[in-house]
This record gives sequence, structure tokens and C-alpha cells, in this order.
Amino acid sequence: GENVEQHPSTLSVQEGDSAVIKCTYSDSASNYFPWYKQELGKGPQLIIDIRSNVGEKKDQRIAVTLNKTAKHFSLHITETQPEDSAVYFCAASDQAGGTSYGKLTFGQGTILTVHP
Amino acid sequence: KAGVTQTPRYLIKTRGQQVTLSCSPISGHRSVSWYQQTPGQGLQFLFEYFSETQRNKGNFPGRFSGRQFSNSRSEMNVSTLELGDSALYLCASSLEFSGYGYTFGSGTRLTVV
Repeated sequence: GENVEQHPSTLSVQEGDSAVIKCTYSDSASNYFPWYKQELGKGPQLIIDIRSNVGEKKDQRIAVTLNKTAKHFSLHITETQPEDSAVYFCAASDQAGGTSYGKLTFGQGTILTVHP
Repeated sequence: KAGVTQTPRYLIKTRGQQVTLSCSPISGHRSVSWYQQTPGQGLQFLFEYFSETQRNKGNFPGRFSGRQFSNSRSEMNVSTLELGDSALYLCASSLEFSGYGYTFGSGTRLTVV
């Protein structure tokens, strides 16, 4: 089955700096890669996603890049703000109808702390 | 519009008991998935339902089961509770059966004592 590794496990930055979180996946059939943000006491919130036919996607201060050959994808947050502090999860899914269809495999999470 | 609603928010059960958790998806969403979140294992897929049928299942024992009703609401049941079942149980819904664009609820925190 799919295995997703996420690094780093904790990340501390100053307000205004950039933050980068990286994930690698094992199953070449995976073709959908969402990122979720989880705040204390809440469920994960989808913040951005990318499909395997796209190399990069941006949404304001957030961007995701995908390297299918190397099987890794990254989340980039620019101009970080204290409200960006949360746990971030990457995930992978096969949406082409394989055995992992409809199932998200998550990374272990990154605790991001943005210091004012 | 209303998000994914999970009830109850908190639950304390005794080892050996059974428990039923409820999930109401976003209106119009037909797919409901369940995930278990623990500090040690992270987020793990339990099962997904679409049109009242279980379409995919994770690697959990048969004590974990679920169902989906015709209005897309879903329940999951855990029988013969063990201490290790203590976790945050998250429900997610999406328009179609695909894993695409999931919206998660806030979860049910289950504590087994």
C-alpha cells in the first residue's frame, strides 16, 4: 500500500519568513495530493491540493509543488503569520480506480509555529 | 452552508462496551469517510461509504463497522472497546467517491477507560 513520509515534524519560523514542508510517497499510482491544516480542537481543513498532471499550484501565500519522478511534493507558505501556526498534513490518493481509490494516506504531520 | 457535523463531540466508555458515532455530511455530499487519529499512528483510514455501500476499507479489525443511510448520514460502530481505541474519530464528506476535496468534521473524541 501507499506510504507517505513527511518532514520536518516540527518547524519554527519568525513572522514574515517562509516555511517549507516536504513529503514523499511510495505508490506511483497516487495522483492526487492534498494538504490539510489542523488547528487545536478542530478537524483537518483542506488548504490546497494538486493533481499529478500539474507541477505547481498557488493560492495567495500558499503553493504546492509536485515532482512525480522523484515522488515528492512540498508545501510552501510565504510571509508567514501567527495564525498560520497549526499542524499541517500532506496526503496522497489514487483516484484512478486502484485499490487505494477513495482513500487518503496521510503523512505524520508538521507542527508549524510562527513567532510574532 | 453547514459543514460536516459529528456527534457526540466527546465520549467516555468502559473497556468491553460498544459505541456508535454519528456523522452528517455537507448537504449534497454523497461520500462519507471515517478516519482514526491518534498521536502514535496519526490519521488512519477506516472506511468509505458511497450511496449506502462500503466502497473501501482500511486495516482495522472487524470490531469497527459502519453504515450509511439513504440521506447520506453515516454511523460507525466499535464493539468490545479496547483501551487502544481511544482516539479522535473524524468523518469527512465529499461530493463523489474519490477522496477528492474532502471536508472534515471536528471529530468525536473517544476515551476508553
